[in-house]
Amino acid sequence: DAKTTQPNSMESNEEEPVHLPCNHSTISGTDYIHWYRQLPSQGPEYVIHGLTSNVNNRMASLAIAEDRKSSTLILHRATLRDAAVYYCIQITGANSKLTFGKGITLSVRP
Amino acid sequence: ETGVTQTPRHLVMGMTNKKSLKCEQHLGHNAMYWYKQSAKKPLELMFVYNFKEQTENNSVPSRFSPECPNSSHLFLHLHTLQPEDSALYLCASSPYLGANTEAFFGQGTRLTVV
Repeated sequence: DAKTTQPNSMESNEEEPVHLPCNHSTISGTDYIHWYRQLPSQGPEYVIHGLTSNVNNRMASLAIAEDRKSSTLILHRATLRDAAVYYCIQITGANSKLTFGKGITLSVRP
Repeated sequence: ETGVTQTPRHLVMGMTNKKSLKCEQHLGHNAMYWYKQSAKKPLELMFVYNFKEQTENNSVPSRFSPECPNSSHLFLHLHTLQPEDSALYLCASSPYLGANTEAFFGQGTRLTVV
């Protein structure tokens, strides 16, 4: 399975931007980078995904490095409701399996 | 509300019982998935269905038996479970099986085997 590496945890302050890093050094040309998050006692929720260029949606921005071996999920203004486990997932075109790792636990301080 | 509904939300069953988990989506999606999330462990992919056909069985014990009668419904039939099978069981769906699509998850069924 394609592997990504993330820090175990990160803390942020409410109303400040948050940058969540992810390394995916084994990425190949057709692999997409996906981010999901899981709030306590809920199922995972899709956040954003991209292939090569940076992506923006109403929830977040995804900045993908030029060599595609790393990416950063950007929450522009953290709220208490953003406290969750964030999963960075590399999905290969060959098998398209959404395989979750441990993710990064984001804590937001009021 | 993601459009993926799982029932029941909570289930307690004995090791000799037979029960079924149900997942339903009316999003028009063609791919459906079962995941297991044990305490303090990452989500584990169990089964994948694409256009009602099973395309992935991730070495799941036969006491878990999936059924996909149509693209909108997915079941997980349970029998002779063990206490270590207690976990959160999550269903997901996506428009198709591919890397350039997003998956929608249900709220899960919290299963306790006693």
